[in-house]
Amino acid sequence: GQSLEQPSEVTAVEGAIVQINCTYQTSGFYGLSWYQQHDGGAPTFLSYNALDGLEETGRFSSFLSRSDSYGYLLLQELQMKDSASYFCAVVRDNYGQNFVFGPGTRLSVLP
Amino acid sequence: EPEVTQTPSHQVTQMGQEVILRCVPISNHLYFYWYRQILGQKVEFLVSFYNNEISEKSEIFDDQFSVERPDGSNFTLKIRSTKLEDSAMYFCASSDGQGGAGELFFGEGSRLTVL
Repeated sequence: GQSLEQPSEVTAVEGAIVQINCTYQTSGFYGLSWYQQHDGGAPTFLSYNALDGLEETGRFSSFLSRSDSYGYLLLQELQMKDSASYFCAVVRDNYGQNFVFGPGTRLSVLP
Repeated sequence: EPEVTQTPSHQVTQMGQEVILRCVPISNHLYFYWYRQILGQKVEFLVSFYNNEISEKSEIFDDQFSVERPDGSNFTLKIRSTKLEDSAMYFCASSDGQGGAGELFFGEGSRLTVL
């Protein structure tokens, strides 16, 4: 079976740092992706980790530990526009053919 | 920038009616997907399609669902006899399948309301 866990909600203030965790148990694992979804919008790709360690893209960073079946998304210098749902997704094969999404974490950024 | 386009953006139908949702994936992509999202819930995998056939489907994708790539550009999802619980946002997505770069490109979605 496929199982991904994320916190359901996180709240933080503008300018703060927030970490959204994701643990997974899947049949097949090639990498972990993160997506952002604003209300009423489509998921949009943020980052991808195939190897252990930290990947940094501007204010967003993503971390993966394959041995712990764990990853996180780190958002720095939070802005109001970062209020959205964030989904981790396991990429199950090396063609990027099969993705399984986590339940999502709703991030609310307060002024 | 290339994008995945979906039509219609919103469709209202009566229970038992057939619905076809249409998608135009990014032109050089090889893998196509349908996902659905019930309001406020997670994105659920329905089906993946590669080389003109279904490569994987979930338990949600039962005999009421079918997919087709009728020409070189369109990718459709048909629901044969809609049920109330089919009400959801349906997202089409595509990927280039290059080395598992982890990126799916989503369309803006088709909201289906079954009455």
